[in-house]
Formats: sequence, structure tokens, C-alpha cells
Amino acid sequence: TQLLEQSPQFLSIQEGENLTVYCNSSSVFSSLQWYRQEPGEGPVLLVTVVTGGEVKKLKRLTFQFGDARKDSSLHITAAQPGDTGLYLCAGEDDYKLSFGAGTTVTVRA
Amino acid sequence: GAVVSQHPSWVICKSGTSVKIECRSLDFQATTMFWYRQFPKQSLMLMATSNEGSKATYEQGVEKDKFLINHASLTLSTLTVTSAHPEDSSFYICSANYGYTFGSGTRLTVV
Repeated sequence: TQLLEQSPQFLSIQEGENLTVYCNSSSVFSSLQWYRQEPGEGPVLLVTVVTGGEVKKLKRLTFQFGDARKDSSLHITAAQPGDTGLYLCAGEDDYKLSFGAGTTVTVRA
Repeated sequence: GAVVSQHPSWVICKSGTSVKIECRSLDFQATTMFWYRQFPKQSLMLMATSNEGSKATYEQGVEKDKFLINHASLTLSTLTVTSAHPEDSSFYICSANYGYTFGSGTRLTVV
């Protein structure tokens, strides 16, 4: 069983601060994805990383994929209350996803 | 972009009854759809893979006779929770093998 571990489980910060969420896998997936989910809704894809060492930026969000393709991080710069949500990493094999436990991020105004 | 529509968004049913949840791909054909379950404050767990025109593949520990999956067309997969019990109360979400798009989820409450 391929396992994804996310840390921290909860994160509460003040608006304007930075935060980092980590995702570590016990094995290599075809790709790794980050999602954001709001209560009562399905997860929304933020980014897909495929290549070891890859760095992708999406406005204030920066995603890194480890060289060994087993670990990834999501960094948010100058967090805003709108960034509040559940952040999930997922490893993909043939469109089948294994999710991490998620990190609940709360950004206080 | 790819859109997956899920219906209903929420349902309340009595113990012992069955509930059907629909998952539709609106602007593409999905040969494969996936069904996930998410308990409060937990992550998504894959329940089964729905294959158009063939039997679904269930993950270990998921009762195939309780969670009936039908994928009769390239745009529709259904999940039927049979003889529902309160412990089946959960958030059920589908996705399709295209664009990593998820439905908006169905909140099932069994009373």
C-alpha cells in the first residue's frame, strides 16, 4: 500500500504570514497533486508535479517536488483569509488517487 | 474544462432504505470514474473504480453488495448505497479519468 503522510494536520496563522505544508510518500507515484477543498465541496486541483526537483508557482503558492519524487511541499506566501481550506496531496497511478490525510489551514484576518 | 456533475448534493434517508447517487461527465466521455468516501475531518478514501460496460473494481474492505456501482454509459456512473445504516453517513465524491476533476460531492445522512 502506498502511503502519503501530510504535516502538519492543522495550521492557524495570521493574515500576511507564510506557511508550508509537507507531503511525504513511502514510494514513487506517476505524479503528485495538490488539491484544496472547502467544506461541502469536492477537491479542486491546484497543481500536478511529475518531474523530480520540479518547482511550480501559482500566484502566491509555490509547489516543490523532491528529487526522489517521494516528497513535496506547498508554500503559501502572505496568506490571505481566502486561502483557508483543507489542502490535500494525492499520489496518482493511472488516474487512481491515494490521498494524504490533509492539512486544515486557517488564516485569521 | 472538464466538468463532473454529481447529484444529489445532499440526501437524508431512513435506515434500511437505499439511496442512489449519480455522477455525470458533462462535456467529455469518461470510460472510468472513481468513487470516494470522506468522513468528517478526514481525507478521501477510494471506494471503487467504475468501468464503463464492465464490473466495478472495489478497494479492499468495501462491500460490493452494499455499494452497487453501475456505469452503463460513457457519461454516467451511479453509486447505490443499499440497506443504508447510520454508519454509512458520509460525504461521497466521484471523479473521472480526465482532468482530475471531482464532482461537488453528496452528503448522505442516514437516520
